[in-house]
Amino acid sequence: RKEVEQDPGPFNVPEGATVAFNCTYSNSASQSFFWYRQDCRKEPKLLMSVYSSGNEDGRFTAQLNRASQYISLLIRDSKLSDSATYLCVVNAETGRRALTFGSGTRLQVQP
Amino acid sequence: DTEVTQTPKHLVMGMTNKKSLKCEQHMGHRAMYWYKQKAKKPPELMFVYSYEKLSINESVPSRFSPECPNSSLLNLHLHALQPEDSALYLCASSQQDRDYLYGYTFGSGTRLTVV
Repeated sequence: RKEVEQDPGPFNVPEGATVAFNCTYSNSASQSFFWYRQDCRKEPKLLMSVYSSGNEDGRFTAQLNRASQYISLLIRDSKLSDSATYLCVVNAETGRRALTFGSGTRLQVQP
Repeated sequence: DTEVTQTPKHLVMGMTNKKSLKCEQHMGHRAMYWYKQKAKKPPELMFVYSYEKLSINESVPSRFSPECPNSSLLNLHLHALQPEDSALYLCASSQQDRDYLYGYTFGSGTRLTVV
């Protein structure tokens, strides 16, 4: 089983749609969770950290479910500029200071 | 300054060349990282430096040699690379004891082509 798993997509949605991505992780002791966004041929950029109680930043909502070991990202009112690959990132190994990236979910928002 | 600066942005090198990638940050971060990313794949960890000491080497071939001369600089020395080493090399940094809150800041990467 991979340490961090994501549906690779692509998710093709119209502008204004709501879209949700899930990510599962294998290490129940993981403490740090993030969503990064990566545009084509660019570096990953932090979109948001994911907190235990869930958190929201504008149109973006992140949730953590420790019991089922998954995190989610909800994007409301999708914009064309949201088209990118969304990477789920976890500190997947206990005692190791390093983040592990999921393979990413590609989102294409269409006019 | 909230940036991680990587140079060069693009590099083409032959298999017998020696070259170096450079990474610099002035955010006071004491953890720095090298990741390698192939097309349509996620970044893969290569090395981690913590307080200028190498703390993780992900069994990277010795043709890649990292160096952390001070808390702001991270180098990756390349020698006798293979064409399959062509990739985007990403440097990142983080606050040593707060990366669980703030994650990593990435540089824009060096796109390396080995011919």
